[in-house]
This record gives sequence, C-alpha cells and structure tokens, in this order.
Amino acid sequence: AQSVTQLDSQVPVFEEAPVELRCNYSSSVSVYLFWYVQYPNQGLQLLLKYLSGSTLVESINGFEAEFNKSQTSFHLRKPSVHISDTAEYFCAVRATGNQFYFGTGTSLTVIP
Amino acid sequence: DVKVTQSSRYLVKRTGEKVFLECVQDMDHENMFWYRQDPGLGLRLIYFSYDVKMKEKGDIPEGYSVSREKKERFSLILESASTNQTSMYLCASSLDPYEQYFGPGTRLTVT
Repeated sequence: AQSVTQLDSQVPVFEEAPVELRCNYSSSVSVYLFWYVQYPNQGLQLLLKYLSGSTLVESINGFEAEFNKSQTSFHLRKPSVHISDTAEYFCAVRATGNQFYFGTGTSLTVIP
Repeated sequence: DVKVTQSSRYLVKRTGEKVFLECVQDMDHENMFWYRQDPGLGLRLIYFSYDVKMKEKGDIPEGYSVSREKKERFSLILESASTNQTSMYLCASSLDPYEQYFGPGTRLTVT
C-alpha cells in the first residue's frame, strides 16, 4: 500500500509571506499526485495535479508544486499568501488500481 | 462542471438507528468512494466501487455497508449507528486515472 506523509499538521504564516507545505509519498512505481484544498465546512476541491510531463505544475490562484521523483516529494508552494488561503490542504497519491491515498492534512493559517 | 451531491449536510441520529447516506454524481464516472474525515486522521477510505454492483473494502469498512444499483448513485449504510461513527462523511467520484471530485460532505452526529 501507498503512504503519504504531510509532516506539518499546522502552518501559521503572515500575510504576503511565502509558504511551503511538504508532502512525501512512498512508491517505487509511477504515480499520479494531487493537492486538494478544503475550506471550512466544505468538501475537498482539487488545487493542482501531476499526471505526466513537466514536473512543475501550477494552479490558477498562484500555488505551484514540483514533482521530485528521486526524493518522492510533491511540495506545495506559494510566494505570497493571502488571508483567503487559510484552509486545510491535503496531498494525495494514486498509483496502480483505483485507490487514492491521502495525507493527514496541513492546516494553513494566514495571519493578517 | 462535475457535480457530486450528498443527500444531507447535517444529520443527527440515535445509537442503534439504521442510517443511509446518499451520493449522486452527474458525470458518468466509473469510480465512486466513501471516506470519513476525522481531525488529525485525514481521510480514511471506507468503501469504493468501480462499477455498478461492484464494491471493494477500503481501510475501515467495519460497521458500514454500501450499495451501488445505478452508476450515478453510491449509498453508504450504517446498519446500527454507534457514537464512534460520529464524523464527517465525504463522497467522491473519479474517471480513471484522473482526480477525484468530492461532494460537500455530511456531518453525522450519533447520540
């Protein structure tokens, strides 16, 4: 089975500061990688995904993530955060088969 | 846009009651999933289905069953609700091999 590790359960950061949310996974085979965001009392929404091709993927609201095969990582970054980025962020992996594996989540709090 | 709907946003049930959580998706997706979400534990897979009348156990199937009679509908059943099943329940659907689309969630409280 796969495992996904999000080392930071809570990340406080000041508004307009950069942020990195870390994600590592265990797999020796090809994987598909995802970041989801969850706002309070809502379901999860896809933020960005890596399926193939360029290892750097971007979202429409300024987040980016880089697939690093050698380090089995898919860290999420944003150069300047806004108050509206306050949310829970989940990293997910899909390998062979239909199952997705989720990390335990990182709660990002943007401080004014 | 893909839409995944869940029958209730909030639900309060008593211990021992039979509980049905319904999920409907409108994009003809093959795969559907039920998760429960608890603080500090992230999302844990209860059951998933990759076709009508097909189901596979996830990581925590005990105390739950599922039904998929039609492609667009996936139901989660708590045969006899218990207080430790108080949680947020999330339904999702996907088309191989792409991302999952989630419903808004059902917050179930069992008293």
